[in-house]
Amino acid sequence: QKEVEQDPGPLSVPEGAIVSLNCTYSNSAFQYFMWYRQYSRKGPELLMYTYSSGNKEDGRFTAQVDKSSKYISLFIRDSQPSDSATYLCATYSGYALNFGKGTSLLVTP
Amino acid sequence: KAGVTQTPRYLIKTRGQQVTLSCSPISGHRSVSWYQQTPGQGLQFLFEYFSETQRNKGNFPGRFSGRQFSNSRSEMNVSTLELGDSALYLCASSLGGSTEAFFGQGTRLTVV
Repeated sequence: QKEVEQDPGPLSVPEGAIVSLNCTYSNSAFQYFMWYRQYSRKGPELLMYTYSSGNKEDGRFTAQVDKSSKYISLFIRDSQPSDSATYLCATYSGYALNFGKGTSLLVTP
Repeated sequence: KAGVTQTPRYLIKTRGQQVTLSCSPISGHRSVSWYQQTPGQGLQFLFEYFSETQRNKGNFPGRFSGRQFSNSRSEMNVSTLELGDSALYLCASSLGGSTEAFFGQGTRLTVV
């Protein structure tokens, strides 16, 4: 079992929709949680990271961590076609990032 | 500020050959990590270097090795290439740990 599980999608939404992306993780010792965005043929780009439980907001993006259920979420408000990419959640084990396999998102005009 | 630079961007090699990939981290970053990305396994940690020392290693065979130079630039070497080594190899740099790691564009390796 991978330490971080993520539904690969694909997820298709109309422009302007609210997108919810989710991951679960297995190790309760994890404290840092990240979201990366990866466009085709590019490297992953760090969107945001959170420490422990709670919410963190950055513009149209909100990251949420629920440590009691080992659940990580990323919400995208007012989604745009430029948000079409693969979204990767990750946890930090103390020396390496453990990634989910990524969710492919398509935002259609 | 320049980002993480990986060279070359694309490589085609034959089974049994060896390959060296290069990574120049963001200026001031002393930690460089390497990851392998494949459609089946996703991103998997290879190893991490900090101040020229390998601090951590993932679960990959000894054919995969690396090093870091005094200017923090890093190289990764894969010997005796196998078809299954075909992947996108990504380098990430950070100041110390990986809570804020920044990735390069990757090197796409194809083994034929």
